[in-house]
Parts: sequence; C-alpha cells; structure tokens
Amino acid sequence: EAQVTQNPRYLITVTGKKLTVTCSQNMNHEYMSWYRQDPGLGLRQIYYSMNVEVTDKGDVPEGYKVSRKEKRNFPLILESPSPNQTSLYFCASSFFGLGTTNTGELFFGEGSRLTVL
Amino acid sequence: AQTVTQSQPEMSVQEAETVTLSCTYDTSESDYYLFWYKQPPSRQMILVIRQEAYKQQNATENRFSVNFQKAAKSFSLKISDSQLGDAAMYFCAYRSAHRDDKIIFGKGTRLHILP
Repeated sequence: EAQVTQNPRYLITVTGKKLTVTCSQNMNHEYMSWYRQDPGLGLRQIYYSMNVEVTDKGDVPEGYKVSRKEKRNFPLILESPSPNQTSLYFCASSFFGLGTTNTGELFFGEGSRLTVL
Repeated sequence: AQTVTQSQPEMSVQEAETVTLSCTYDTSESDYYLFWYKQPPSRQMILVIRQEAYKQQNATENRFSVNFQKAAKSFSLKISDSQLGDAAMYFCAYRSAHRDDKIIFGKGTRLHILP
C-alpha cells in the first residue's frame, strides 16, 4: 500500500529535550516536505527536499533541522524544543518536476501531535 | 509571491443541501495546479479534487465539483447533497507546475453539516 508513515503520532516532551519525528514514504517520490498546522494559520511549510541531499527552508524553519540521506526518509529534528513548537506536524511527499507521473498531488502522513511543556 | 485566501473560516449547511466554499489565489504564473484537501476529525489530509490550470473544463469527483475561473483567480468547491461525513476542515492549495517546490495552502474553512 502506498503511504507516508510518520512516527510518533503523539508525543509530550519537555523544553530542551531533543526529539526526532521520522517520516518515510514508499512511493519513490523525489519531493518531501514538513508542515506544521496551527489553529487559524493553516499549514505552514517548515522544510522541504527535492531529492537526496537537497533540502531548503520553507516559511517557518527556525528551531528545526532536517536531513535527506535516503530517498524514502525525511526526519524532522527539534534540537531544543520550546513550547511555541507545540503543534500538529505533517510530512508529505510527491513526484517532482514535469512528467507524466507528476499530478502535483501531495500525499500526507497521518500527522504527529507534539506538545512541549 | 503566491498567496491563497479562503475568506470563510466556518460554514454550515443542512444535510442534503448544496454548499460552496470559496478560494482565491494570486499568481503571475500561467501553469499550475489547484487542490482541495479535506481534513476530517481524524486529522488525515485527503485529496478531494484537483484542477490543472491549462484545462478549461471544471473538475468533478462524484458530489464534489469546482468552479475554476482562471482570469478571476478563483477556485471554489461545490459540495452537492451534503452528508454528515463531509464535516471537516477544507484546505485550498496552489502548486506551480514549473517551480513546484512550493505548495501554498489557504488557512482553511471548517464545514459543519446540520442534521
């Protein structure tokens, strides 16, 4: 089954304790991206990657890191979480570039609810 | 920079009735994709419908259809015969066809279905 898998789905942590949210896709997508969703603000892009070893900042990158060492994985790292990073996080993937397989559609993971105390 | 605006934070519709959610966007590009995603209480993001800008014909998927007005930069979603399962947050999204590393989302419209 084609899917984007995020873990953990729920996490409560404390300020300053490093954490990683994993994301994996099995659709051979070049493009992967992280979003955070906050009430009244919609989805805001944190980081994205167009292929292995190629990453770039989105609209709200402060306090986050990413890496893309393998095509299927795109972990989100919070080196020193703070309460303002309490949010719902989504990983998404898609094909990239012009081509018959690219419908432009983003495929989303199920979301990770993070609370930083 | 591209922007996507959903001017209705919340809407309500009676079950079995028709409702239209509005979305406008701003871009200087001619080739792009537009999407409506549904987010039910489960939080999963589900693609409802997509439209390619070069296609003049409005996309339809069963009870869901769009009114795509390229010149007006408008992309509204019409839900016919509303069902209780349609209750969700709906997001409009824009993606450039040539510079598709950026996908822009609106802030969402929460749709309530009244029994």
